[in-house]
Amino acid sequence: GEDVEQSLFLSVREGDSSVINCTYTDSSSTYLYWYKQEPGAGLQLLTYIFSNMDMKQDQRLTVLLNKKDKHLSLRIADTQTGDSAIYFCAESITGGSQGNLIFGKGTKLSVKP
Amino acid sequence: NAGVTQTPKFQVLKTGQSMTLQCAQDMNHEYMSWYRQDPGMGLRLIHYSVGAGITDQGEVPNGYNVSRSTTEDFPLRLLSAAPSQTSVYFCASSTGNTIYFGEGSWLTVV
Repeated sequence: GEDVEQSLFLSVREGDSSVINCTYTDSSSTYLYWYKQEPGAGLQLLTYIFSNMDMKQDQRLTVLLNKKDKHLSLRIADTQTGDSAIYFCAESITGGSQGNLIFGKGTKLSVKP
Repeated sequence: NAGVTQTPKFQVLKTGQSMTLQCAQDMNHEYMSWYRQDPGMGLRLIHYSVGAGITDQGEVPNGYNVSRSTTEDFPLRLLSAAPSQTSVYFCASSTGNTIYFGEGSWLTVV
């Protein structure tokens, strides 16, 4: 079945760039998403990319999609302590209703001052 | 604009008790869903609905019931709570490719 894999932890220094990686299995996914979750809070949609795009940039966030390798990455430029959170990659489920997502287990980003 | 509202935020249940997690959205979205999040895991889909009167099962539906009598509301029912249902529950609604999540409901079954 569908699966989404992420590394569990990432630690960076404030001001550096962070790159969070994700691999997925369903080559027919139409949309891929990045969500941010702070402790005790819900999920905040950061950005998403349509499967026919290679890159999407939104202020400090850059999403790269390599459809051939089924690899998605999220780059956060000038990482701040407020970026410390868990980041989830998710893919839309092919053939399912739009809004049904498969999530990775999340990458915990720690930003050191 | 409240978005997606979940109640209660926190709940402790005894094994065998029943309860309903409420979810309401004010964005007139047709699609709504429930996910659960367990420690060290991503979210897993429990049930979803593509419109009033229509519901379907997700990845982990056992032990949960849903109904969708209105566009706004999508309650999740636990008929006989089990410790394995201790989790954080998220309700979501969507239009097109944009999916909005509620703040979560923390449920502990003892």
